[in-house]
Amino acid sequence: KAGVTQTPRYLIKTRGQQVTLSCSPISGHRSVSWYQQTPGQGLQFLFEYFSETQRNKGNFPGRFSGRQFSNSRSEMNVSTLELGDSALYLCASLPGLGLGETQYFGPGTRLLVL
Amino acid sequence: AQSVSQHNHHVILSEAASLELGCNYSYGGTVNLFWYVQYPGQHLQLLLKYFSGDPLVKGIKGFEAEFIKSKFSFNLRKPSVQWSDTAEYFCAVKTGGFKTIFGAGTRLFVKA
Repeated sequence: KAGVTQTPRYLIKTRGQQVTLSCSPISGHRSVSWYQQTPGQGLQFLFEYFSETQRNKGNFPGRFSGRQFSNSRSEMNVSTLELGDSALYLCASLPGLGLGETQYFGPGTRLLVL
Repeated sequence: AQSVSQHNHHVILSEAASLELGCNYSYGGTVNLFWYVQYPGQHLQLLLKYFSGDPLVKGIKGFEAEFIKSKFSFNLRKPSVQWSDTAEYFCAVKTGGFKTIFGAGTRLFVKA
């Protein structure tokens, strides 16, 4: 099976712009989670989607949003970018939503905000 | 709030030294526990996981971890590290709310 794919891999934006990142989960997986990874902070949970519904949300401002489509592909959007949004954004997919399942990560999208 | 604490941000070892990375979490209910590794320039990969049963779990590349429920800990161990183990290691906890919380990571550097 193909792994989790994320596009684009690298992105440079300026403050105030918005950005949309895409994630395609492993075939058959219905749950997608998004994380922000920055040095020293580890992975900060953004949100989790299952069957097109947001099931969990982390402590990020409303500028961060996401959605999931019927084919389980997911997008996240960041509006009004700030310098502090520069990070590696990781997507992970799981077969379902319960305990006893393992997340598989994509390569990430590295976002640089100037 | 649930949290995961990794005791060391940076660890430097010589090859053949033993490794133990600490991980503690705060959550009183049922948990799934994970260790992930991120080699330089690569994806996050699953090293090992604990769901239930034997609290001593073995993972890939000679790593193992022990779940001690009374201490809310899930420490990662390897008896003899290699230069190729240089990477960042993340402990993660999945709770009954199904959200997975990660620790801040430990950067391991192994000197050849």
